[in-house]
Amino acid sequence: RKEVEQDPGPFNVPEGATVAFNCTYSNSASQSFFWYRQDCRKEPKLLMSVYSSGNEDGRFTAQLNRASQYISLLIRDSKLSDSATYLCVVNKVGSGNTPLVFGKGTRLSVIA
Amino acid sequence: DADVTQTPRNRITKTGKRIMLECSQTKGHDRMYWYRQDPGLGLRLIYYSFDVKDINKGEISDGYSVSRQAQAKFSLSLESAIPNQTALYFCATSEARGELFFGEGSRLTVL
Repeated sequence: RKEVEQDPGPFNVPEGATVAFNCTYSNSASQSFFWYRQDCRKEPKLLMSVYSSGNEDGRFTAQLNRASQYISLLIRDSKLSDSATYLCVVNKVGSGNTPLVFGKGTRLSVIA
Repeated sequence: DADVTQTPRNRITKTGKRIMLECSQTKGHDRMYWYRQDPGLGLRLIYYSFDVKDINKGEISDGYSVSRQAQAKFSLSLESAIPNQTALYFCATSEARGELFFGEGSRLTVL
């Protein structure tokens, strides 16, 4: 099993749609989880951290399922500006001293 | 001005040439990283440093070396560039357990 695995997409959805991305991770000791967003030819930027209790930021909801070792990102009421690649990021082991591991990303295209 | 600055932003070079990519940061972070991004392969860690005297290999360090000259500077060298090192390179910084802040990337083409 790969350390961090995502469906590469692309997900092509109409404006206003709800879309969900899943990500699985292999190390059960991982403790830090994030979603990053990367626009075409740009650097990745933090979208949101993922907490055990789940968290919401406007139209974006992130959830963590430790038992099944997956993380999800839900985007409601999709906007054209949401078109980007979404990267699932996990720390390698249960420690603050190891770098983060990135999934390959899921590409989203929101269509008018 | 960007908090994490990479130079050069674009470089075309020939096989066998020595190339250095430089990264400087004004965020005051101790931790710095070099990643490589290729289509379909995502971001892969080349080297990372948690302070000035600390250098660690990432998953794809072969063919690369780094130097942490100061807290704010972390450079990546390709001693003898080869075509499969053509990629987009990102420098990043962070605090412990914190968010990664990326530079704008350096696009390297090796002919």
